[in-house]
Amino acid sequence: QVQLVQSGAEVKKPGASVRVSCKASGYTFTSYGISWVRQAPGQGLEWMGWISAYNGYTNYAQKFQGRLTMTTDTSTSTAHMELRSLRSDDTAVYYCARDEEGYGMDVWGQGTTVTVSS
Amino acid sequence: SYVLTQPPSVSVAPGKTARITCGGNNIGSKSVHWYQQKPGQAPVLVIYYDSDRPSGIPERISGSNSGKTATLTISRVEAGDEADYYCQVWDSSSDRVFGGGTKLTVL
Repeated sequence: QVQLVQSGAEVKKPGASVRVSCKASGYTFTSYGISWVRQAPGQGLEWMGWISAYNGYTNYAQKFQGRLTMTTDTSTSTAHMELRSLRSDDTAVYYCARDEEGYGMDVWGQGTTVTVSS
Repeated sequence: SYVLTQPPSVSVAPGKTARITCGGNNIGSKSVHWYQQKPGQAPVLVIYYDSDRPSGIPERISGSNSGKTATLTISRVEAGDEADYYCQVWDSSSDRVFGGGTKLTVL
């Protein structure tokens, strides 16, 4: 079945970086893009950025420009999200989602909890 | 940046119809997607392209979009429909944007 499986929870100190992985299976990885969405405790969904698994083109939300990098590895059908210079307000659950423009985010990973604390 | 406005909460009795709105500038010209999120779970796409349902989503759930408001309608509401609901669009200046979310309470 089509699924996205994310890497495990992370605890980081302020100023550090975190890398979250998202492994796809059950579909042709390069035929869809991947969006990353985060959700702070008790808050709503926040879109972070999108990457084409076909050619690696990225589009980041302005809020994260300069400290966010998204990549894909087509040999393993895995997407990666790296957020740098972490702050306490980056504490959130981070989701990857299969995202074909115009059709919504139809498959979601289980989420990865990232905690930023000194 | 583009802003989507949703009511924070909607309450409805079982068996009745719930309507959740999503407002935005000229939203009628955009494709609106809706997600359902239950506590501790990842979101689930329930409506895409204004009114299309992914496979497995019941016909009780429908969507519409015109003018300044998109609407998610849930007919014959059940206890299992209690969740947070988010609208989402693509905008040329902001790319993907989510609304603030609406908590649906089944009385």
